[in-house]
Amino acid sequence: SAVISQKPSRDICQRGTSLTIQCQVDSQVTMMFWYRQQPGQSLTLIATANQGSEATYESGFVIDKFPISRPNLTFSTLTVSNMSPEDSSIYLCSVVVEDTEAFFGQGTRLTVV
Amino acid sequence: SQQGEEDPQALSIQEGENATMNCSYKTSINNLQWYRQNSGRGLVHLILIRSNEREKHSGRLRVTLDTSKKSSSLLITASRAADTASYFCATGDSSYKLIFGSGTRLLVRP
Repeated sequence: SAVISQKPSRDICQRGTSLTIQCQVDSQVTMMFWYRQQPGQSLTLIATANQGSEATYESGFVIDKFPISRPNLTFSTLTVSNMSPEDSSIYLCSVVVEDTEAFFGQGTRLTVV
Repeated sequence: SQQGEEDPQALSIQEGENATMNCSYKTSINNLQWYRQNSGRGLVHLILIRSNEREKHSGRLRVTLDTSKKSSSLLITASRAADTASYFCATGDSSYKLIFGSGTRLLVRP
């Protein structure tokens, strides 16, 4: 398994501002992903965080809104830019270990007011 | 986009009873994973079943997979109040991305 630390665990932000979420893993992992869970909904993949190159975004998500960094194999950040109340969600990072099992951080609960 | 539906959407049972949740999906998969989420926090990995497996056990959990019907079930035996949570299935393919089902909210009454 992997131990994933995500910061902050929650935040309340003003609309129009940006928030950067950090994800730290206790071991080197190749595959790292960011998911969003809107209130009362299931999880949706935002993007694959690629080490040393640009992230790969899913349909409906763009780099200008959700810039992602992945400087090494243990760390990634997701920024939620120019926030609006519709961005209020739980954001979770996930890593895949042993080529199969996917583990998740505790999530960042974001409220935009 | 959602891979499929989970059934039921909500389930309320008495402590000690068994809980069964079903998951359907649409595409070819390499594996299917089940997760538990307590009160909107992070996801706890419960069990992974590969596409060439039909049944898997872990403690009080039993997972089945029927690739011909594109469906899976999670059985929790002898449920406890602490099992109260939302349960999600997620399918994985060769890209390692997960596509999640809609989830089942389980309430275990003491």
